[in-house]
Amino acid sequence: AQTVTQSQPEMSVQEAETVTLSCTYDTSESDYYLFWYKQPPSRQMILVIRQEAYKQQNATENRFSVNFQKAAKSFSLKISDSQLGDAAMYFCAYRRGQGGSEKLVFGKGTKLTVNP
Amino acid sequence: DAGVTQSPTHLIKTRGQQVTLRCSPKSGHDTVSWYQQALGQGPQFIFQYYEEEERQRGNFPDRFSGHQFPNYSSELNVNALLLGDSALYLCASSLGGLGRNQPQHFGDGTRLSIL
Repeated sequence: AQTVTQSQPEMSVQEAETVTLSCTYDTSESDYYLFWYKQPPSRQMILVIRQEAYKQQNATENRFSVNFQKAAKSFSLKISDSQLGDAAMYFCAYRRGQGGSEKLVFGKGTKLTVNP
Repeated sequence: DAGVTQSPTHLIKTRGQQVTLRCSPKSGHDTVSWYQQALGQGPQFIFQYYEEEERQRGNFPDRFSGHQFPNYSSELNVNALLLGDSALYLCASSLGGLGRNQPQHFGDGTRLSIL
């Protein structure tokens, strides 16, 4: 069974600084997708960024970027120029790829605090 | 463009009761997945519905059942409620079909409290 591990229960960053959230996963499959979701106190799970395992290039979305190390099964999220609105729970998630189920497997999350 | 909507927002029940939660998928989506998120944990997959059938199920007892209607909306039913069923229940929709790997869009969830 696939597992996702987030080893940092809590992280904090100063406004305008950069922070990196860690995620490791375990799978025997070669075709899969990885995601970072943000969950603010409003509860809605918002997709931040997505990475296809077959792509070597790391995904970027504005201030958000990932460091995808397939051999190490590591998928970290870097937030640059942190803003107060970035404060939330961040979840790393895994999903099997083409033809597979669409079930998401989540980590336990990292609570990010942004200090003014 | 309406996103995923869930009702009710918050629900309080007592042990042994039954509950029904509802979800309307994002416009154009045909697949609905349900997740249970206990306090301080990541969401856990309950089951997924596509073409009105349960396509996959997570490690949840038969007390958890669901349904998908022809308009793609879905219900989650939980019978014989236990204190441990207290959680945030999230609905996610996507454009399904084998090979169509679309990201899932989530609703705001239903907070279920069992007394």
